[in-house]
Amino acid sequence: NAGVTQTPKFQVLKTGQSMTLQCAQDMNHEYMSWYRQDPGMGLRLIHYSVGAGITDQGEVPNGYNVSRSTTEDFPLRLLSAAPSQTSVYFCASSYSRNRGRSGANVLTFGAGSRLTVL
Amino acid sequence: SQQGEEDPQALSIQEGENATMNCSYKTSINNLQWYRQNSGRGLVHLILIRSNEREKHSGRLRVTLDTSKKSSSLLITASRAADTASYFCATSGNTPLVFGKGTRLSVIA
Repeated sequence: NAGVTQTPKFQVLKTGQSMTLQCAQDMNHEYMSWYRQDPGMGLRLIHYSVGAGITDQGEVPNGYNVSRSTTEDFPLRLLSAAPSQTSVYFCASSYSRNRGRSGANVLTFGAGSRLTVL
Repeated sequence: SQQGEEDPQALSIQEGENATMNCSYKTSINNLQWYRQNSGRGLVHLILIRSNEREKHSGRLRVTLDTSKKSSSLLITASRAADTASYFCATSGNTPLVFGKGTRLSVIA
């Protein structure tokens, strides 16, 4: 039981490049989400999903795309990276019995992906 | 915008002392959770308190919730060097979990 697995752990991009941060969980969690963590800003929600085929925007969605084709995977795509997207990204999941959007359940976090955009 | 705000931003104590962190929030909630983050790692859930609960214990952790004041506190008793970490409160209403900016706790041996 690996929990939430994020890849890569570290990535350096040039401005304008694209990339995908991968997130996979093996706990059959319906709810998955992406946060970014910046110094002094805490964690801010980017996108979330309450189940396969369903995604929604969080507090800071601009510049990021997501999809949820399977229960296990929730990739985060940066289409044209900008220096403002330099951050540590965390994927988190939880069990949601009735696809509620409240996020009331306890989140299990991945180890994080540190992205630097030059 | 962040819902929860932790106070203080940073706290430094001696091993064996108690550490108290506070969290204030703005809107009504279903529950409030506390998480810990060790340097360079992901967040780990510590404890959840529901809106109809006033106090909850888990080992050396004690959490209180005052919905009339929209505030919560996390008390860590008999702190250890291994408790050195950042602590975040997260609130849940009808939206996904919203995290505060965290309290950075340093426990000096």
